[in-house]
Amino acid sequence: GDSVTQMEGPVTLSEEAFLTINCTYTATGYPSLFWYVQYPGEGLQLLLKATKADDKGSNKGFEATYRKETTSFHLEKGSVQVSDSAVYFCALIEVGNTGKLIFGQGTTLQVKP
Amino acid sequence: DSGVTQTPKHLITATGQRVTLRCSPRSGDLSVYWYQQSLDQGLQFLIQYYNGEERAKGNILERFSAQQFPDLHSELNLSSLELGDSALYFCASSVGTGGRYGYTFGSGTRLTVV
Repeated sequence: GDSVTQMEGPVTLSEEAFLTINCTYTATGYPSLFWYVQYPGEGLQLLLKATKADDKGSNKGFEATYRKETTSFHLEKGSVQVSDSAVYFCALIEVGNTGKLIFGQGTTLQVKP
Repeated sequence: DSGVTQTPKHLITATGQRVTLRCSPRSGDLSVYWYQQSLDQGLQFLIQYYNGEERAKGNILERFSAQQFPDLHSELNLSSLELGDSALYFCASSVGTGGRYGYTFGSGTRLTVV
């Protein structure tokens, strides 16, 4: 079945460092891809999305490009802030019409001042 | 505020008991999804309803059931609770059935079974 694999965390960075969180997927067809963020004690928030190959999703300085050839959707940010500390989940929607989100295991990001 | 309301926020109950978790979707959304988040299993899809009808089923135990009411709110019923059912339960909603553009999550109900 469909699956998502993320790099293991935690990832610890200093403020203003460059961030990459790797995400690869396995799916039949061309799913929509997402990054969700979960701040401590809160629910999941949609960070960005891409619905077809070569689409670039972006929001709040974060970017990810849907790469069909490498089945990847890596999350990047040029300069992280302490407030970006959270757990980041890569996810895909199963092809079809169920709306079922399949999540990666999550990557914890800790940004130190 | 995401617009998806979940109650209660916290629930502590004993093994063998039954609880009901409630979710009100964002205004205009017809689909409701339930997810379980635990340390060992991560985020697992449980079930989806669309406009009152069950649409998709995931890793939902037989001890668990859900429904969506005419006013579109949904309830997740968990019975014969076990210690392993302790988790964060999220509800999410979307306009259509496919969630292709993502959906909105509530802040969750933290269930602790003691």
